Amino acid sequence: DIVMTQSPDSLAVSLGERATINCKSSQILFSSSNEDYLAWYQQKPGQPPKLLIYWASTRESGVPDRFSGSGSGTDFTLTISSLQAEDVAVYYCQQYYSTPYTFGQGTKLEFK
Amino acid sequence: EVQLVESGGGLVQPGKSLRLSCTASGFTFDDCAMHWVRQAPGKGLEWVSGISWNSGNKGYADSVKGRFTISRDNAKNSLYLQMSSLRTEDTALYYCAKERGVGATQGFDYWGQGTLVIVSS
Repeated sequence: DIVMTQSPDSLAVSLGERATINCKSSQILFSSSNEDYLAWYQQKPGQPPKLLIYWASTRESGVPDRFSGSGSGTDFTLTISSLQAEDVAVYYCQQYYSTPYTFGQGTKLEFK
Repeated sequence: EVQLVESGGGLVQPGKSLRLSCTASGFTFDDCAMHWVRQAPGKGLEWVSGISWNSGNKGYADSVKGRFTISRDNAKNSLYLQMSSLRTEDTALYYCAKERGVGATQGFDYWGQGTLVIVSS
């Protein structure tokens, strides 16, 4: 199974500042289709996860452009360029390269 | 509007069985692969099982393999998870999730609100 490891486990950022969350996979997620099989989700308390990013860097429709994904191979990053109040949540990466489609352990993003 | 509504959760004793259902609307159900993802109280997300649009491909997490069975009925726009030999560690909120894209996984773009399964004596 592919193991997904996020860092840090928690992060405190001031309003308007940049937040960066890392995700490392135990195997390469890049395929012959020239895409990385990685997604990012946001989960707020009492809500299901929301898809933010797929193919490592493609923003889902309706997701604000302050959210961006980068990286390839085994190392990926989710960046929130300017933290807004509504961004406080837990963020998960997920590989969908092969089953089981494993998630990272989550990163809790809070206000400083 | 895409909607996924799970049902069938509840309190069940260890070793017993339970069947979860997910009713879909607002999209062409038989075009899409579907998945179950669970979340234990206060914990992270765990992919449980997935099924292709035509039921030709099914996958399971090692933790549930041999005990859980995923199925779907495209005529009823419904997804199911038959859970047997339940263990206390299966206690979780079970989400139904739609796979983004047709023919190739691109993450899960719609999720239900979940149905809670509690395994306890």
